[in-house]
Amino acid sequence: DTGVSQDPRHKITKRGQNVTFRCDPISEHNRLYWYRQTLGQGPEFLTYFQNEAQLEKSRLLSDRFSAERPKGSFSTLEIQRTEQGDSAMYLCASSPGQGAFSEQYFGPGTRLTVT
Amino acid sequence: GDSVTQMEGPVTLSEEAFLTINCTYTATGYPSLFWYVQYPGEGLQLLLKATKADDKGSNKGFEATYRKETTSFHLEKGSVQVSDSAVYFCAHPKTSYDKVIFGPGTSLSVIP
Repeated sequence: DTGVSQDPRHKITKRGQNVTFRCDPISEHNRLYWYRQTLGQGPEFLTYFQNEAQLEKSRLLSDRFSAERPKGSFSTLEIQRTEQGDSAMYLCASSPGQGAFSEQYFGPGTRLTVT
Repeated sequence: GDSVTQMEGPVTLSEEAFLTINCTYTATGYPSLFWYVQYPGEGLQLLLKATKADDKGSNKGFEATYRKETTSFHLEKGSVQVSDSAVYFCAHPKTSYDKVIFGPGTSLSVIP
């Protein structure tokens, strides 16, 4: 039983460059979430997909951020023109999406460092 | 707005000591409450949950009781082990599709 995987695990980039992260959810999970976690803080919600539909975007997700989930399987999060303030751990989670509470399973995260 | 407040860390305890990590929340209505744990180098894992007032969640020797009157969900363990060293997050979902609101986390170090 494979869990949520994320790639890459670490990314160092220079300010102004574009980066793209990938998340592969648990097979057949129809809900997928992206969170951002900065040092010493809890994860903050960025966006949510139900299958291929992006249903909510946080105000944290500026115009430089875009997320996709083609075909309702894996998802990508792209950051354009990166800034130092984008340095953080980007977490992906998926859930089956059934019942009153559907447990979210988190991936190991992608740590982004913008120099 | 909805938020979660936790006691500040880091917390350092000797093995077999008693652990309490305080958590209070503000939310609309009475949401489910969670504790997540993040071990070094690993992703977040759900440790325990409680879905309604007075429920007690428990797992791996950890317990937390949903106190509606004090809007609290304090995490406790009677005897911690070195392997419990991790960061603990109190949290609750905000909407019906379970967007989770996390507290800032409390780092726990258990020394032999």
